Amino acid sequence: QQQVKQSPQSLIVQKGGISIINCAYENTAFDYFPWYQQFPGKGPALLIAIRPDVSEKKEGRFTISFNKSAKQFSLHIMDSQPGDSATYFCAAAQAGGTSYGKLTFGQGTILTVHP
Amino acid sequence: NAGVTQTPKFQVLKTGQSMTLQCAQDMNHNSMYWYRQDPGMGLRLIYYSASEGTTDKGEVPNGYNVSRLNKREFSLRLESAAPSQTSVYFCAAREGRGAFFGQGTRLTVV
Repeated sequence: QQQVKQSPQSLIVQKGGISIINCAYENTAFDYFPWYQQFPGKGPALLIAIRPDVSEKKEGRFTISFNKSAKQFSLHIMDSQPGDSATYFCAAAQAGGTSYGKLTFGQGTILTVHP
Repeated sequence: NAGVTQTPKFQVLKTGQSMTLQCAQDMNHNSMYWYRQDPGMGLRLIYYSASEGTTDKGEVPNGYNVSRLNKREFSLRLESAAPSQTSVYFCAAREGRGAFFGQGTRLTVV
């Protein structure tokens, strides 16, 4: 059972454009939603994260939009740059219960930004 | 400050062989995790350890065992490797905000 579904699988954007990656989750117990960035040959690195008590969080060119009622969240990369070309993963975790701390990941999106 | 260190970085095994993937963290985090990454599948949790002395199964535990040796170290063992275990394995450590990942072990089982 895929608890976090991510789309699209791949994305091509021109330099300066906006990259948008979407995720949907099923488990309403999730209360922490991070995004990870992974470059080839490297491990994933935390990019930005949000908790469900806010609808948006912005850090530089990266913004998470969160819709609790729809159980969806998305990553927006403004003014996309070739250096942003990487694989992006959304994830979700819950604070309590027997699944405390477990991060469940989406399938990943390969982003290519053309110069 | 190395963060999360995994060894080895690359390994080729024959079907039926056994091996242990090592992971150590120097961040004093309580929780540690083993994931495998396969194309189009994202990162799937194999086992995790919420704290020293405890381990729990994740999404895909079959064919693996783990040991939380102490707070720093969390090892993953393949007792009898199978081609389906060909993958990139990542160890992670977490305390509160976000998980920190190692560089990965690329394992090929032939």
